[in-house]
Amino acid sequence: DIQMTQSPSTLSASVGDRVTITCRASQSISRWLAWYQQKPGKAPKLLIYKASNLESGVPSRFSGSGSGTEFTLTISSLQPDDFATYYCQQYNDFWTFGQGTKVEIK
Amino acid sequence: QVQLVQSGAEVKKPGASVKVSCKASGYTFTDYGICWVRQAPGQGLEWMGCISPYNGNTNYVQKFQGRVTMTTDTTTTTAYMELKSLRSNDTAMYYCGRDRGGISPHWGQGTLVTVSS
Repeated sequence: DIQMTQSPSTLSASVGDRVTITCRASQSISRWLAWYQQKPGKAPKLLIYKASNLESGVPSRFSGSGSGTEFTLTISSLQPDDFATYYCQQYNDFWTFGQGTKVEIK
Repeated sequence: QVQLVQSGAEVKKPGASVKVSCKASGYTFTDYGICWVRQAPGQGLEWMGCISPYNGNTNYVQKFQGRVTMTTDTTTTTAYMELKSLRSNDTAMYYCGRDRGGISPHWGQGTLVTVSS
C-alpha cells in the first residue's frame, strides 16, 4: 500500500502569508496527486489534480507542484476563507489520503 | 448540476449493520464510479472503496474486506454502502464521492453513523 505523509500537521499563519504544505509518497506516484480543502462539518473540496492542475473555480492563489514522491501545495497569499484543513490524495494505486494539515490563524 | 444526496444519520449498536445511500442526479449515473470515504471524529479521511455503476465492479480497501458491500441501483441512480459487524471505532462521517479518473470533485453531504451500546 502507498502511504502519504504530510508536513506540517499544523501551520499557524496570518492573512497575506505565503503558505506551503508538503506531501510525500512512500513510492513513486508519478503525478497522480490531488489536494483537497476541508472545513469543519463539510465535505472535502477538490483544489488541485494531477499535481498541478487547478480545478475549475478554484482561486489562482492555490498552486501545486511536484512529481514522483514529493509534492507541494502553495497558497500565495492566505485569505480568511483559506483557514481549513488540507489533504493530499494519491490515485496512482487506488486512493490514499495524507493525514491532513490544519492551517490556523496565527 | 451534479448532486449527491446521502441518507440521514444513523445510530447503531455494536454488531449491527448500517446501509448508507447516495442518490445521484445531474449526470449519467453509469458514466462515473462512486467512491466512499469515511472520517472518524477529529481524524483524517479514509478511503473505503469504489464501485462502477456501469458493471458493478468494486474495489475495497483490504481492512474492510468481508465487512463492506457497495452496490448500485441504476433504475434509481442510487449507490449504497453497507458496513456489517459494526464496532465503536466505525463511528464516523461517511461520504460518497463521484469518481473522475481517481479524484472526486463532487461529494455528498455526509452521513453520520454512530455506533454505541
